[in-house]
Amino acid sequence: KAGVTQTPRYLIKTRGQQVTLSCSPISGHRSVSWYQQTPGQGLQFLFEYFSETQRNKGNFPGRFSGRQFSNSRSEMNVSTLELGDSALYLCASRRQGRDTEAFFGQGTRLTVV
Amino acid sequence: SQQGEEDPQALSIQEGENATMNCSYKTSINNLQWYRQNSGRGLVHLILIRSNEREKHSGRLRVTLDTSKKSSSLLITASRAADTASYFCATAPMNYGGATNKLIFGTGTLLAVQP
Repeated sequence: KAGVTQTPRYLIKTRGQQVTLSCSPISGHRSVSWYQQTPGQGLQFLFEYFSETQRNKGNFPGRFSGRQFSNSRSEMNVSTLELGDSALYLCASRRQGRDTEAFFGQGTRLTVV
Repeated sequence: SQQGEEDPQALSIQEGENATMNCSYKTSINNLQWYRQNSGRGLVHLILIRSNEREKHSGRLRVTLDTSKKSSSLLITASRAADTASYFCATAPMNYGGATNKLIFGTGTLLAVQP
């Protein structure tokens, strides 16, 4: 069974640009969540999608957005990039159910210069 | 911030020794999970303990949960050099408003196991 796939693995962007990151969950998983990891703030929850609907959103500015497609693949978009957006962005998928583990992708390392 | 805290922040031990990491959290939870991360890569799930459980074992891992103190500990016995990684606790908060798979992560413990 293929794991969670995130593309691209590495990305360098300039301040003010926008970026789109992609996540393909494990087959059969309809829940996809996104996290931002930085040395200063640690792992922070961005948002969660289930069956194409955003179910929960973290405390991030509106420049951060996401969506989920009918095949459960998800994308997140960051517009008007700032230096502080440099981070490892992690995607996780889960089976339906309250007590289920999250499976993480390898992440996308975004560097804003 | 809802973020949990872990201690110690860093831990260095010899192979064969046991490693204990502690986690404290702030909200009511459905479950608590532990994850491992190698060198800034993806997180790997280690173990999940439900809010009505007090202790759980998986191989060389032992997890305890005290919901009255909002704390958990992870014990790795007979550690190996390959256990060198960052370890994070993550809580699944009880959401009275509806379903969610959101996880709140702790600050992490960096474990170094010397061969």
